[in-house]
Amino acid sequence: AQSVTQLDSQVPVFEEAPVELRCNYSSSVSVYLFWYVQYPNQGLQLLLKYLSGSTLVKGINGFEAEFNKSQTSFHLRKPSVHISDTAEYFCAVRGENAGGTSYGKLTFGQGTILTVHP
Amino acid sequence: NAGVTQTPKFQVLKTGQSMTLQCAQDMNHNSMYWYRQDPGMGLRLIYYSASEGTTDKGEVPNGYNVSRLNKREFSLRLESAAPSQTSVYFCASSESTSGRVRETQYFGPGTRLLVL
Repeated sequence: AQSVTQLDSQVPVFEEAPVELRCNYSSSVSVYLFWYVQYPNQGLQLLLKYLSGSTLVKGINGFEAEFNKSQTSFHLRKPSVHISDTAEYFCAVRGENAGGTSYGKLTFGQGTILTVHP
Repeated sequence: NAGVTQTPKFQVLKTGQSMTLQCAQDMNHNSMYWYRQDPGMGLRLIYYSASEGTTDKGEVPNGYNVSRLNKREFSLRLESAAPSQTSVYFCASSESTSGRVRETQYFGPGTRLLVL
């Protein structure tokens, strides 16, 4: 079984400050990791994903995340946030067995509400 | 190319009423999903359809039924609505080729359901 824990339910930050949204996962198989963003009253939009290769992944809107296998983490960062980044952010994981043929369902964390203040 | 569309956007039901949430995608994706979103709980998978003609239970299937009408459409039915089903419902789709699981899921805008 796999699970995702987002360590902060709410993160307030001032505009132009850096931000880190924390995500830890647990899984017994190879994982693929995703960050989604949900703006108020909208659906989820993919920010970035880690499938393989470089552990530093760059996404849209200046966000990046680093996959750390030893710490089972996939924290999301942005060096300078904007008012328009105010939204809820979800970390998600999909698992795959060694044979690469299992159907891995997407498991979401509880979400982190990022509020950017002027 | 509209992506994933859902109807209706909002719905108010009385306990015991039934309704069907509609979802369609125009990306020729094989797999489709229904999630519900509740405060502090993230998104939880209700049902999914790996390919046309197949459906499987997710994490929270009780009180729901689904139909994969064709490759484009995947509907979610509440036969007898309960207040515990008040939630925001999201449909998603993914390409899911050859059983690999690396593909991205694309989400619809959601249906906000209130059961009184």
